[in-house]
Parts: sequence; C-alpha cells; structure tokens
Amino acid sequence: DIQMTQSPSSLSASVGDRVTITCRASQSISNFLNWYQQKPGKAPRLLIYAASSLQSGVPSRFSGSGSGTDFTLTISSLQPEDFATYFCQQTYNTPYTFGQGTKLEIK
Amino acid sequence: QVQLQESGPGLVKPSQTLSLTCTVSGGSISSASEYCSWIRQPAGKGLEWIGRIYSSGDTNYNPSLWGRATISADTSKKQFSLKLSSVTAADTAVYYCARTHYGSGKLDVWGKGTTVTVSS
Repeated sequence: DIQMTQSPSSLSASVGDRVTITCRASQSISNFLNWYQQKPGKAPRLLIYAASSLQSGVPSRFSGSGSGTDFTLTISSLQPEDFATYFCQQTYNTPYTFGQGTKLEIK
Repeated sequence: QVQLQESGPGLVKPSQTLSLTCTVSGGSISSASEYCSWIRQPAGKGLEWIGRIYSSGDTNYNPSLWGRATISADTSKKQFSLKLSSVTAADTAVYYCARTHYGSGKLDVWGKGTTVTVSS
C-alpha cells in the first residue's frame, strides 16, 4: 500500500494567516492526489483534486500544488469556517489511502 | 443535485454480517464517468477506503479487510450496498458512501455517514 504522511498533525493559526499543510507519498503518485476538509460530525468535503484543481464551489483561497511524492495544500487567508481537519488521499493505486489528517485550530 | 444517504442497523453483534445501503437521490451516478465507493472512519481516527463498484459491476476491495467486504449495486433502485462479514469491535466506525470519478478518483459527493457499533 502507498503510505500518505501529512505534516503537521496539528496546527494553530489565526484568522487571516496563510497556512500550508504538507502531504508526502511513500512512492510517486504523479498528480493523483486529492484534499478534503472535515468538520466534527460531518462528512469530508472535497477541496482539491488532481493535486491542483479547485473543486467547484470551493473558495479560491484554497490551492494545491505538487507532483510525484510531495504535495501541499495552502489556505491563503484563514477564515473562521476553515478551522477543521484536512486529509489528503492518493488515488494512484488501490487501495486508495488517506493521510492521517491535520487538525487546524484557532490560536 | 445528487445526494447520497447511507442506511442500516446501528448495532451489529460480533461475528455477524454488517449490511448497509447507499441510496442515490436527486439524480444518478453516471455510469459513464462515475461510480460508488465506500469509506469508513472509526471515532476520532482517520479515513479508510473500503472498496468500490463500477457500473460494469466490477469491484475492488481493500486487502486489509481480508475478503470480508462485498459491494453490490441495484441500479434500478439507485442503491449500492456494502456487506462486511465476521465483524469485530474493530469494525465499529462511521461508514460513508461517496460518488467517485473515473480518472482522478475524486470523491466529490458524500453521504452523511451512518454509525455502526459492533457489540454484543
């Protein structure tokens, strides 16, 4: 299985901050990398697919980059509704695997 | 707007079979470009991909489930089902179904999830 490792596991930030979350794959996955946001008690929400494509309806302050093994999710200016847990997912090979999550908390 | 909804028993006894249904409403999962996946999440933990079913009926499963999972589809009812046999407490989780796109594999529409507890 392809292992996905996110860093950091948790992060404290303030409204208006620029935040970057990293996801590393245990082998090259080209651009088969998706990012999701999850709030407590809710299903995950797709933010970014194919490493850098913004899902319809997602604010443009979210962006993704990377290819191969290293990927980043950036939130350019944190809004109150962005405090949540973020997961990356590789869809290069089955079983599709997720990172362990990054919990973004209010400082 | 397509919506998915999981349903099934919230409590299953150890060694029995967990059975869940995912019902599609407000549209359909296009056989040309989309298919259905199942994912689960134990309380306070990460996400685990269980498997998927294509419109052809072909399926793929996570080997970590040791052949216990079966996904099927009833296209006339716009329903997808998940069966997980020989369950243990480790199978206690929130179970989600999600619309998935060919190519990118992105999970763009999720059900709200249903909590299944394995306990005697």
